[in-house]
Amino acid sequence: QVQLQESGPGLVKPSETLSLTCAVSGYSISSGYYWGWIRQPPGKGLEWIGSIYHSGSTYYNPSLKSRVTISVDTSKNQFSLKLSSVTAADTAVYYCARVWGVGWFDPWGQGTLVTVSS
Amino acid sequence: QSALTQPASVSGSPGQSITISCTGTSSDVGGYNYVSWYQQHPGKAPKLMIYDVSNRPSGVSNRFSGSKSGNTASLTISGLQAEDEADYYCSSYTSSLYVFGTGTKVTVL
Repeated sequence: QVQLQESGPGLVKPSETLSLTCAVSGYSISSGYYWGWIRQPPGKGLEWIGSIYHSGSTYYNPSLKSRVTISVDTSKNQFSLKLSSVTAADTAVYYCARVWGVGWFDPWGQGTLVTVSS
Repeated sequence: QSALTQPASVSGSPGQSITISCTGTSSDVGGYNYVSWYQQHPGKAPKLMIYDVSNRPSGVSNRFSGSKSGNTASLTISGLQAEDEADYYCSSYTSSLYVFGTGTKVTVL
Protein backbone atom coordinates (compact mmCIF):
# COMPACT_ATOMS: atom_id res chain seq x y z
CA GLN A 1 0.00 0.00 0.00
CA VAL A 2 1.47 3.31 -1.09
CA GLN A 3 1.80 5.92 1.63
CA LEU A 4 3.06 9.49 1.44
CA GLN A 5 4.28 11.67 4.30
CA GLU A 6 5.10 15.37 4.12
CA SER A 7 7.73 16.94 6.33
CA GLY A 8 9.35 20.33 6.77
CA PRO A 9 9.28 23.53 8.84
CA GLY A 10 5.85 24.65 9.99
CA LEU A 11 6.87 28.30 10.12
CA VAL A 12 8.65 30.29 7.42
CA LYS A 13 9.50 33.99 7.43
CA PRO A 14 8.26 36.29 4.67
CA SER A 15 10.61 36.54 1.66
CA GLU A 16 12.31 33.26 2.59
CA THR A 17 12.06 29.89 0.86
CA LEU A 18 9.56 27.22 1.89
CA SER A 19 11.02 23.71 1.66
CA LEU A 20 9.05 20.49 2.05
CA THR A 21 9.78 16.83 1.42
CA CYS A 22 7.40 13.99 0.64
CA ALA A 23 8.61 10.53 1.62
CA VAL A 24 7.04 7.68 -0.31
CA SER A 25 6.69 4.16 1.12
CA GLY A 26 5.25 1.02 -0.39
CA TYR A 27 6.30 1.96 -3.92
CA SER A 28 9.53 2.86 -5.66
CA ILE A 29 9.37 6.30 -7.25
CA SER A 30 11.83 5.18 -9.91
CA SER A 31 9.26 2.65 -11.15
CA GLY A 32 7.12 5.38 -12.64
CA TYR A 33 4.19 7.75 -12.15
CA TYR A 34 4.09 11.47 -11.69
CA TRP A 35 4.13 12.85 -8.16
CA GLY A 36 2.50 16.11 -7.21
CA TRP A 37 2.12 18.92 -4.70
CA ILE A 38 -1.24 20.54 -3.90
CA ARG A 39 -1.96 23.21 -1.29
CA GLN A 40 -5.01 24.50 0.57
CA PRO A 41 -5.06 27.87 2.36
CA PRO A 42 -7.02 27.78 5.63
CA GLY A 43 -10.74 27.69 4.91
CA LYS A 44 -10.20 27.77 1.15
CA GLY A 45 -10.03 25.40 -1.81
CA LEU A 46 -7.36 23.23 -3.35
CA GLU A 47 -4.65 24.54 -5.67
CA TRP A 48 -2.34 22.36 -7.77
CA ILE A 49 1.27 23.50 -7.43
CA GLY A 50 3.11 21.16 -9.75
CA SER A 51 4.08 17.59 -10.64
CA ILE A 52 7.28 15.69 -11.31
CA TYR A 53 8.06 12.42 -13.10
CA HIS A 54 10.63 10.00 -11.70
CA SER A 55 12.96 11.07 -14.50
CA GLY A 56 12.80 14.67 -13.29
CA SER A 57 10.40 16.10 -15.88
CA THR A 58 8.25 18.78 -14.27
CA TYR A 59 5.01 20.71 -14.82
CA TYR A 60 4.14 23.78 -12.75
CA ASN A 61 1.09 25.91 -12.12
CA PRO A 62 1.69 29.02 -14.27
CA SER A 63 0.65 31.27 -11.39
CA LEU A 64 3.49 29.90 -9.23
CA LYS A 65 6.00 28.83 -11.85
CA SER A 66 8.47 31.65 -11.26
CA ARG A 67 8.83 30.69 -7.58
CA VAL A 68 8.48 26.89 -7.59
CA THR A 69 11.01 24.11 -7.91
CA ILE A 70 10.07 20.45 -7.54
CA SER A 71 12.80 17.82 -7.49
CA VAL A 72 13.02 14.08 -6.98
CA ASP A 73 15.55 11.93 -5.12
CA THR A 74 15.02 8.33 -6.20
CA SER A 75 17.80 7.10 -3.89
CA LYS A 76 15.80 8.30 -0.88
CA ASN A 77 12.43 7.56 -2.54
CA GLN A 78 11.20 11.08 -1.97
CA PHE A 79 10.42 14.27 -3.81
CA SER A 80 10.63 17.87 -2.66
CA LEU A 81 9.05 21.28 -3.04
CA LYS A 82 10.75 24.65 -2.83
CA LEU A 83 8.72 27.86 -2.98
CA SER A 84 10.73 31.06 -2.90
CA SER A 85 9.91 34.61 -1.81
CA VAL A 86 6.94 33.50 0.28
CA THR A 87 4.31 35.86 1.64
CA ALA A 88 1.37 35.41 3.99
CA ALA A 89 -0.67 34.31 0.97
CA ASP A 90 1.43 31.13 0.83
CA THR A 91 0.18 30.04 4.25
CA ALA A 92 -1.56 26.74 3.61
CA VAL A 93 -1.73 23.04 4.25
CA TYR A 94 0.58 21.45 1.71
CA TYR A 95 -0.23 17.97 0.42
CA CYS A 96 1.77 15.58 -1.70
CA ALA A 97 0.09 12.91 -3.81
CA ARG A 98 0.71 10.36 -6.55
CA VAL A 99 -0.63 11.33 -9.94
CA TRP A 100 -2.38 8.47 -11.76
CA GLY A 101 -2.35 8.44 -15.50
CA VAL A 102 -3.21 11.86 -16.83
CA GLY A 103 -5.87 12.86 -14.46
CA TRP A 104 -6.16 12.06 -10.78
CA PHE A 105 -4.43 12.24 -7.41
CA ASP A 106 -4.34 9.18 -5.17
CA PRO A 107 -3.26 8.58 -2.50
CA TRP A 108 -2.60 11.82 -0.64
CA GLY A 109 -0.31 12.50 2.27
CA GLN A 110 -1.88 13.72 5.50
CA GLY A 111 -0.78 17.27 4.76
CA THR A 112 1.42 19.71 6.65
CA LEU A 113 0.51 23.25 7.67
CA VAL A 114 3.05 25.89 6.73
CA THR A 115 2.55 29.35 8.18
CA VAL A 116 4.35 32.36 6.72
CA SER A 117 4.93 34.90 9.46
CA SER A 118 7.72 36.94 10.99
CA GLN B 1 -6.20 29.03 -15.54
CA SER B 2 -9.34 29.76 -13.50
CA ALA B 3 -10.84 27.47 -10.89
CA LEU B 4 -13.76 25.32 -11.97
CA THR B 5 -17.12 26.58 -10.70
CA GLN B 6 -19.04 24.57 -8.10
CA PRO B 7 -22.04 25.55 -5.95
CA ALA B 8 -20.91 26.65 -2.51
CA SER B 9 -23.31 24.34 -0.76
CA VAL B 10 -25.75 21.52 -1.39
CA SER B 11 -27.94 19.84 1.18
CA GLY B 12 -30.27 16.88 1.40
CA SER B 13 -32.02 14.61 3.82
CA PRO B 14 -30.84 11.09 4.59
CA GLY B 15 -31.80 8.71 1.80
CA GLN B 16 -32.18 11.43 -0.79
CA SER B 17 -30.01 12.01 -3.86
CA ILE B 18 -28.03 15.15 -4.49
CA THR B 19 -25.98 16.34 -7.45
CA ILE B 20 -22.97 18.64 -7.41
CA SER B 21 -22.06 20.44 -10.61
CA CYS B 22 -18.59 21.42 -11.79
CA THR B 23 -18.47 23.90 -14.65
CA GLY B 24 -15.37 24.65 -16.68
CA THR B 25 -14.57 25.41 -20.28
CA SER B 26 -13.83 23.58 -23.51
CA SER B 27 -10.15 23.80 -22.53
CA ASP B 28 -10.54 21.70 -19.41
CA VAL B 29 -13.74 19.84 -18.44
CA GLY B 30 -15.16 19.92 -21.96
CA GLY B 31 -11.93 19.05 -23.68
CA TYR B 32 -10.84 15.96 -21.76
CA ASN B 33 -12.45 12.98 -20.04
CA TYR B 34 -10.11 13.51 -17.10
CA VAL B 35 -12.42 14.85 -14.41
CA SER B 36 -11.97 13.57 -10.88
CA TRP B 37 -13.83 14.16 -7.62
CA TYR B 38 -12.53 14.31 -4.04
CA GLN B 39 -14.23 14.13 -0.65
CA GLN B 40 -12.66 16.01 2.24
CA HIS B 41 -13.75 15.75 5.86
CA PRO B 42 -12.66 18.53 8.25
CA GLY B 43 -8.98 18.33 9.10
CA LYS B 44 -8.42 15.40 6.75
CA ALA B 45 -6.71 14.93 3.42
CA PRO B 46 -8.88 14.72 0.29
CA LYS B 47 -9.99 11.25 -0.77
CA LEU B 48 -10.47 10.21 -4.40
CA MET B 49 -14.10 9.32 -5.12
CA ILE B 50 -14.36 9.39 -8.94
CA TYR B 51 -11.75 9.46 -11.71
CA ASP B 52 -11.93 9.82 -15.48
CA VAL B 53 -15.42 11.36 -15.20
CA SER B 54 -17.32 8.28 -14.07
CA ASN B 55 -15.00 5.59 -12.70
CA ARG B 56 -15.11 4.60 -9.06
CA PRO B 57 -11.93 3.45 -7.28
CA SER B 58 -12.02 0.18 -5.41
CA GLY B 59 -13.56 0.68 -1.98
CA VAL B 60 -15.70 3.70 -2.86
CA SER B 61 -19.42 3.16 -2.37
CA ASN B 62 -21.52 2.70 -5.51
CA ARG B 63 -23.76 5.45 -4.13
CA PHE B 64 -21.28 7.84 -5.72
CA SER B 65 -21.45 8.33 -9.48
CA GLY B 66 -20.03 10.81 -11.97
CA SER B 67 -21.01 12.09 -15.39
CA LYS B 68 -20.24 14.89 -17.83
CA SER B 69 -22.12 16.90 -20.41
CA GLY B 70 -20.28 19.51 -22.42
CA ASN B 71 -18.29 21.76 -20.11
CA THR B 72 -20.07 20.59 -16.94
CA ALA B 73 -19.27 17.53 -14.88
CA SER B 74 -21.50 16.23 -12.10
CA LEU B 75 -21.16 14.11 -8.98
CA THR B 76 -24.30 12.40 -7.72
CA ILE B 77 -24.61 10.95 -4.26
CA SER B 78 -27.59 8.64 -3.90
CA GLY B 79 -29.02 7.34 -0.64
CA LEU B 80 -27.42 10.23 1.25
CA GLN B 81 -25.90 9.24 4.59
CA ALA B 82 -24.65 11.25 7.54
CA GLU B 83 -21.07 10.22 6.75
CA ASP B 84 -21.34 11.90 3.34
CA GLU B 85 -21.34 15.33 5.00
CA ALA B 86 -18.07 16.83 3.81
CA ASP B 87 -16.52 19.16 1.27
CA TYR B 88 -16.29 17.94 -2.32
CA TYR B 89 -13.90 19.15 -5.01
CA CYS B 90 -13.76 18.41 -8.70
CA SER B 91 -10.56 18.56 -10.72
CA SER B 92 -9.77 18.53 -14.41
CA TYR B 93 -6.66 17.96 -16.47
CA THR B 94 -5.89 20.67 -19.00
CA SER B 95 -2.80 20.71 -21.22
CA SER B 96 -0.30 19.23 -18.75
CA LEU B 97 -1.85 21.21 -15.92
CA TYR B 98 -4.52 20.58 -13.33
CA VAL B 99 -7.30 22.84 -12.09
CA PHE B 100 -9.56 22.26 -9.08
CA GLY B 101 -13.09 23.35 -8.45
CA THR B 102 -14.11 25.96 -5.90
CA GLY B 103 -15.51 23.29 -3.60
CA THR B 104 -18.98 22.35 -2.38
CA LYS B 105 -20.04 21.80 1.20
CA VAL B 106 -22.54 18.97 1.45
CA THR B 107 -24.84 19.09 4.45
CA VAL B 108 -27.00 16.17 5.52
CA LEU B 109 -30.12 17.60 7.12
